[in-house]
Amino acid sequence: AQTVTQSQPEMSVQEAETVTLSCTYDTSESDYYLFWYKQPPSRQMILVIRQEAYKQQNATENRFSVNFQKAAKSFSLKISDSQLGDAAMYFCAYRSAQGAQKLVFGQGTRLTINP
Amino acid sequence: SQTIHQWPATLVQPVGSPLSLECTVEGTSNPNLYWYRQAAGRGLQLLFYSVGIGQISSEVPQNLSASRPQDRQFILSSKKLLLSDSGFYLCAWSPGTSEYNEQFFGPGTRLTVL
Repeated sequence: AQTVTQSQPEMSVQEAETVTLSCTYDTSESDYYLFWYKQPPSRQMILVIRQEAYKQQNATENRFSVNFQKAAKSFSLKISDSQLGDAAMYFCAYRSAQGAQKLVFGQGTRLTINP
Repeated sequence: SQTIHQWPATLVQPVGSPLSLECTVEGTSNPNLYWYRQAAGRGLQLLFYSVGIGQISSEVPQNLSASRPQDRQFILSSKKLLLSDSGFYLCAWSPGTSEYNEQFFGPGTRLTVL
């Protein structure tokens, strides 16, 4: 079974600076998708960014970008120019390209933005 | 546009009482539907998923069950709640034909079992 590990339970960053959240995963599959979700205090889960495993180019969405290292099974999230609204729990998730399309989530990283 | 609704938003129930949480999706047809539970300070655990009416797959054997009586309706139930059933329950949907099958989440239900 696939597993996702987020080794940083908490992170903090000064407003306007850059922070990187770590995620590693374990799988024997070669084709899959990876996601970062954000859960603000409202607890609504919001998709931040996604990456296809077959693409070598790292995904980017405005201030959010990923560093996808397939061989190392690593999928980190970089947030540039951090804003107060970025404060939230961030979850890394894995989905196989085959089968039941289920998401496997990491335990999450709580990000605090210091003004 | 698509929207997903969950109710109730919060629920306090005694141990041994029944449970029914409802999730509905608007603006799409034949979605995949999912129920997750999030314990305090933890990640999300997939409980059930459904790829069509009457088709339910269970991920974790436990005190809960799910049903999909209509295409865009997904219900989470229990006959007798346990203390360990407390948590935050999230419903999600994904378009069955999307390459990514990214999941879109509802606002959640906070369940407290006393």
